[in-house]
Amino acid sequence: AQTVTQSQPEMSVQEAETVTLSCTYDTSESDYYLFWYKQPPSRQMILVIRQEAYKQQNATENRFSVNFQKAAKSFSLKISDSQLGDAAMYFCAYTGTGNQFYFGTGTSLTVIP
Amino acid sequence: GAVVSQHPSWVICKSGTSVKIECRSLDFQATTMFWYRQFPKQSLMLMATSNEGSKATYEQGVEKDKFLINHASLTLSTLTVTSAHPEDSSFYICSASHYTSGRGEQFFGPGTRLTVL
Repeated sequence: AQTVTQSQPEMSVQEAETVTLSCTYDTSESDYYLFWYKQPPSRQMILVIRQEAYKQQNATENRFSVNFQKAAKSFSLKISDSQLGDAAMYFCAYTGTGNQFYFGTGTSLTVIP
Repeated sequence: GAVVSQHPSWVICKSGTSVKIECRSLDFQATTMFWYRQFPKQSLMLMATSNEGSKATYEQGVEKDKFLINHASLTLSTLTVTSAHPEDSSFYICSASHYTSGRGEQFFGPGTRLTVL
């Protein structure tokens, strides 16, 4: 079975600084997708960034970028120029051939003004 | 973008009663819908996957007779918590996908907070 591990239950970052959230996963599949979702206090799941496993190039969305290391099964999220609105719970997620999502346990990010 | 709604956004019920939660895809046809449960400060746990017109597939440990899922149309799926008990209190989230959407793309509803007294 696929598993997703987030080893940082909580992280904090100073406003305007950069923070990296870690995620590792375990799978025997070769074709899969990885995601980072943000869940603010409203609890609406918001897609932050998505990475296809077959693409070697790391995905980037404005201030958000990933470091995808396929061999190491690592998928970290870097948030640059952190803003107060970035404070939320962040979940790493995996989906493969079964189309189900497997979520990590989440990292609670605090942004310090 | 694709929008998924849930109704109600929150509900309080007495122990022993049944509660129905609706999940609707507003601007697309959802061939597959997923139901998740999330306890406070925990991750989303997949409860079941439903395809339009067929029976839902439940994850191990989820009681299908307690959590009834119906996906009768391409825009509506319902989750009914039968004979609810306080331990069923949780946040329930649905998501939806369509076969033409990108592989692995799911659109999440805003969630429903269930409190059983």
